[in-house]
Amino acid sequence: GQNIDQPTEMTATEGAIVQINCTYQTSGFNGLFWYQQHAGEAPTFLSYNVLDGLEEKGRFSSFLSRSKGYSYLLLKELQMKDSASYLCAALDSNYQLIWGAGTKLIIKP
Amino acid sequence: DAMVIQNPRYQVTQFGKPVTLSCSQTLNHNVMYWYQQKSSQAPKLLFHYYDKDFNNEADTPDNFQSRRPNTSFCFLDIRSPGLGDAAMYLCATSTKRGGTDTQYFGPGTRLTVL
Repeated sequence: GQNIDQPTEMTATEGAIVQINCTYQTSGFNGLFWYQQHAGEAPTFLSYNVLDGLEEKGRFSSFLSRSKGYSYLLLKELQMKDSASYLCAALDSNYQLIWGAGTKLIIKP
Repeated sequence: DAMVIQNPRYQVTQFGKPVTLSCSQTLNHNVMYWYQQKSSQAPKLLFHYYDKDFNNEADTPDNFQSRRPNTSFCFLDIRSPGLGDAAMYLCATSTKRGGTDTQYFGPGTRLTVL
């Protein structure tokens, strides 16, 4: 079966760095997305990786290792507004998005 | 601004009473999706349209139906809502199916079933 695993919840301190990991098992692979979802709101796009390596976009970076079926989202200089759920989603061979349940990130002052 | 709009944002219905949720988009995207998301769970794809080509997920209950009268609008009909159908319903769009395009989400409709 197809599966996405990510931690249920993480806690970090304002101003710090946090890494949210995601492992995936899919029938084929056409890339991996990270979305941010604030409580009660819709997911918003953060990043897309299809090649191995690190993609940096401001305070957020996303890493992919296709051979390991692994990705992480790195958030630097954490701000209180970064408190949200972070959803990992992989595109399978049929270009269907397979979603993880999300990691709830709690930022403490 | 181009966007995905969902109405209403909050919908309350009674057990067994049909309800329709609506989604419109000004992005002129070919593909529209309906997801169901329960608390702390992954979004679950119910259906998607590529233009007027309707694609039903295998495990989407018959209780859920959808209509797309034109490119801009898509509706989700729940014929006989049960307590288990209480969830956030998310509409999303993308430019093409079978590609790596980002999905753009509307704000969602939170459905409560009494």
